[in-house]
Amino acid sequence: GESVGLHLPTLSVQEGDNSIINCAYSNSASDYFIWYKQESGKGPQFIIDIRSNMDKRQGQRVTVLLNKTVKHLSLQIAATQPGDSAVYFCAGVNTGNQFYFGTGTSLTVIP
Amino acid sequence: DTAVSQTPKYLVTQMGNDKSIKCEQNLGHDTMYWYKQDSKKFLKIMFSYNNKELIINETVPNRFSPKSPDKAHLNLHINSLELGDSAVYFCASSQDHMAGRGMYFGPGTRLTVT
Repeated sequence: GESVGLHLPTLSVQEGDNSIINCAYSNSASDYFIWYKQESGKGPQFIIDIRSNMDKRQGQRVTVLLNKTVKHLSLQIAATQPGDSAVYFCAGVNTGNQFYFGTGTSLTVIP
Repeated sequence: DTAVSQTPKYLVTQMGNDKSIKCEQNLGHDTMYWYKQDSKKFLKIMFSYNNKELIINETVPNRFSPKSPDKAHLNLHINSLELGDSAVYFCASSQDHMAGRGMYFGPGTRLTVT
């Protein structure tokens, strides 16, 4: 079945540095990807999404890159702040409209 | 105002009991979901309802029964609770059933079965 996996379960970065969270997916038919942020004790919150006909999309301090050749996407957070500490999930949607979450990367921002 | 709310936030119960978790959304969305998050933070969809009609029913024991009295509510009833049911359960909603698009999650219900 489809899966999306994250390369590292944990990531620590210094405040002010840029963070890069990576995600690999298995189903080349996936046509839509989403990044979610989950803070402690809360539900996941939408950050940014990207369709498969794009290779880059930017939001406020966040950029998602999609490389369909190697089935990889990444979330870049610029000037990481303590409030960015959370678990980040990538998720994919395949052509059957099935939606899959990855396993999550825990980001810790060191002041 | 809370967009997607769940009650209770914490639920501790013994094996064999029956319990329910309630979910309400005030976003006017047509689709609601139940997800289970295990101790490793893995999120797995359990059910999806669109306009009170079941559209996704993943491989979930039939001890779990969702009920949607109207499109703003999707409750989850669990019979004969087992230790393995311990997890955080999230309700979510979206405008339509195009999975993942504009999905809003509730704060979660932490279920502990002893």
